[in-house]
Amino acid sequence: AQSVAQPEDQVNVAEGNPLTVKCTYSVSGNPYLFWYVQYPNRGLQFLLKYITGDNLVKGSYGFEAEFNKSQTSFHLKKPSALVSDSALYFCAVRPPSGGYQKVTFGIGTKLQVIP
Amino acid sequence: EPEVTQTPSHQVTQMGQEVILRCVPISNHLYFYWYRQILGQKVEFLVSFYNNEISEKSEIFDDQFSVERPDGSNFTLKIRSTKLEDSAMYFCASMGRDSHNEQFFGPGTRLTVL
Repeated sequence: AQSVAQPEDQVNVAEGNPLTVKCTYSVSGNPYLFWYVQYPNRGLQFLLKYITGDNLVKGSYGFEAEFNKSQTSFHLKKPSALVSDSALYFCAVRPPSGGYQKVTFGIGTKLQVIP
Repeated sequence: EPEVTQTPSHQVTQMGQEVILRCVPISNHLYFYWYRQILGQKVEFLVSFYNNEISEKSEIFDDQFSVERPDGSNFTLKIRSTKLEDSAMYFCASMGRDSHNEQFFGPGTRLTVL
């Protein structure tokens, strides 16, 4: 069975500082990994994904994530946080085989960027 | 940019009533999904649908739930007899042909069962 852990319920960071939102995963085989963001009363918006290749992937709004196979981690990062980045961030994992396969989400981490 | 749409945005119903939640996936997508998010909890998979049949379903997706793609554009989730614990945000998602793709999510339907 696949699972995702987001160890922090909330991350607070000052505007302009770098941010990291942590994620570790468990899945059989090579994982497909995703980050989604949810703004209040909105749906899930795709940020970025890791499928294969370069361990550092870049996504929307200046976010990036680093895949670390040995640590089974896929932490989300941004060099300089904006107040508008404040939202709920979900890490997700999917097995590589079959488009019908479900995505398993973490519990979510609330990011609060302080002006 | 194409997007997944869902109607209604909010549905209030009485316990025991049937509800149908509607979704219009992105037009050339082939894989369709329903997820739900109970307030304050994680997003949970309900069902995936491909080639006009259910591909995978979770233990939540019991006999009270059904899905249908009646006309090649809409994708519906029916709850036959709603329970209080069905109150949640329900998200529809779709994905293109390439299984490397991400799933695109709709804005959700908030279902409130009284």
